[in-house]
Formats: sequence, structure tokens, C-alpha cells
Amino acid sequence: EIVLTQSPATLSLSLGERATLSCRASQSVTSYLAWYQQKPGQAPRLLISDASNRAPGIPARFSGSGSGTDFTLIISSLEPEDFAVYYCQQRSNWPPLTFGGGTKVEIK
Amino acid sequence: EVQLSESGGGLVQPGGSLRLSCAASGFTFSSYAMSWVRQAPGKGLEWVSAISGSGGDTYYADSVRGRFTISRDNSKNTLYLQMNTLRAEDTAVYYCAQDRGRSALYYFDYWGQGTLVTVSS
Repeated sequence: EIVLTQSPATLSLSLGERATLSCRASQSVTSYLAWYQQKPGQAPRLLISDASNRAPGIPARFSGSGSGTDFTLIISSLEPEDFAVYYCQQRSNWPPLTFGGGTKVEIK
Repeated sequence: EVQLSESGGGLVQPGGSLRLSCAASGFTFSSYAMSWVRQAPGKGLEWVSAISGSGGDTYYADSVRGRFTISRDNSKNTLYLQMNTLRAEDTAVYYCAQDRGRSALYYFDYWGQGTLVTVSS
């Protein structure tokens, strides 16, 4: 089973700041990694697939990069609606599909 | 518009059973693999089970294999999760999610709103 480790657990930032979230895999997932956003009381929403492809309707301030074992989600300038929990997920080696533990982006 | 609507959650005693349903609309249901993903209170996401578009292939997390059974009725556009021998650690919100693939597992483009399962005496 591929383990995904996200860091930091919590990111405290102000509006307009840049957020950098990390996801590290226990073995290579090539580029088969996605990022999701989840707000309280809501289902997750797909942001990025295959490491860097934005899902339809996702603003350009969200960008993903990386390959192999190290991946990054960047939110270039935080908007009020971006404060949420973010999860990475791999589909390289399944079953099982696995998720990271999440990074909470909170308002500083 | 893709819509996924789960039902069937509730309070059940340890050792009991429950069947979840997920009604799908807005897409050709049989063309997509479907999964159940759960989230324990205050915790992260855990993939539980998946089924191919035809229903011929099923997959399970180790934590539920042998206790849960995933199935689908493509004539009714409905996904199911039969949960037996429930444990306290199965307490979670259960989401159904549409995969973007038909047979292989990829990513989840659409999610339902979730249904809460509570296992407690």
C-alpha cells in the first residue's frame, strides 16, 4: 500500500498570501496524483488530477506540480473561499486507492 | 448535471448490518466505475470499495474485506454497499463517488453529500 504524507498538517496564512502544500508518497506514483479540497460539512471537490491538470471550473490560482514521490499544490493568492482542508490521492498502485492525511489551510 | 444521492445511514449496534444506496443521475451510470469513500468524525478520507462500470470487478480495502459488499444495478442507476458485522470503527460519513474510468480506478470527479453511519450500543 502506498502511503501519502502531507505537510504541514496546518497552514496559517492571510488573505492574498501564497500557500504551498506538500504530499510525499512512500514509493513512486509517477504522475498519478490528485488534489481535493474539502470545506466543513461538504463533500470533497476535485481540484487537480495527474499531478498538474486543473479540473473544469477550478481557478487558475490553484496549480499542482511534481512527479515520482514529491508533489506540491500551490494556491498563488488566498481567497476567503480557499480556507479548507486539502487532500492528495494516488491511483498509481491500487487497490487500495489511498489519500493523504490532509492539510488544513486556516486564516491567520 | 451529475447528481449522487446517498441514503440508508443511521444508528446500528456493533455486529449489526446496514445497506447504503447511492442514486445516480445526469450521466451514463454503466460507463463509470463507482466507489465508496468514508470519513470518520474529524478524520481524513478513506477509500472503502469500488466496482467497475459493468459490475464485474469489485475491490475492497483490507479494513472491510469480507464484511462489506459493493454492488450496482445499472438498470436503476443505483450503487449499493452492504455492510455486515459492523464495528465502532466503521462509524463515518460514507460518500459515493464517481470515478472517471470505467474499469480502472482513477480519480473522483463527483461526490454525493454523504450519509452518516454510527455504530454504537
